[in-house]
Amino acid sequence: QSVLTQPPSASGTPGQRVTISCSGSSSNIGYNYVYWYQQLPGTAPKLLIYRNDQRPAGVPARFSGSKSGTSASLAINGLRSEDEADYYCTSWDDSLSGSWVFGGGTKLTVL
Amino acid sequence: EVQLVESGGVGVKPGGSLRLSCAASGFTFDDYTMYWVRQVPGKGLEWVSLVSWDADSTYYADSVKGRFTISRDNSKNSLYLQMDSLRTEDTALYYCVKDGGRRVTAAYMDVWGNGTTVTVS
Repeated sequence: QSVLTQPPSASGTPGQRVTISCSGSSSNIGYNYVYWYQQLPGTAPKLLIYRNDQRPAGVPARFSGSKSGTSASLAINGLRSEDEADYYCTSWDDSLSGSWVFGGGTKLTVL
Repeated sequence: EVQLVESGGVGVKPGGSLRLSCAASGFTFDDYTMYWVRQVPGKGLEWVSLVSWDADSTYYADSVKGRFTISRDNSKNSLYLQMDSLRTEDTALYYCVKDGGRRVTAAYMDVWGNGTTVTVS
């Protein structure tokens, strides 16, 4: 079981808005930033959102992140077929000696 | 352009050892913390270890603590992962990852290599 909890799957039709949740605790999301990665089939993960809601250069504005308390969300507006991928959230966890923890990943299907 | 090229992944028997390498280019290597992250095929991501930009700090996941050792050679722009007492559950694709913050211990995992496959069987 992953420390951060994500739904295993999500889906939407082209043009729709889709959100993916990521739930944690006070030792991780509650006091630390959340990051999101997109992993297209057969490729390495790519940073999508950093520090809760910041987009790296080159990431379309359709992607946005937010955080509230011990949960975070990734929203994709205007869904496109090329958004079909696995999405992972991560955060630093302050418990014990410290570690990065990931969500189990959400497979997004564009119908 | 940042490039991270992993190597050293092969098949090994349980209890064996392996050393992974990551050759970095396109950035000032000794300014950035580096990570290893692994992924079992068809499964999720698992952070393995990190070494700070100055090599003063190292962190390990509980699942590998005491068996794996992360190191770096800033003169060679290279990152390493010494893997001892390997178990079948260590079988995965291992990614080398560059941090997103300059001269900080652990900002975030930014740029990823394409990975090298380790099979313990």
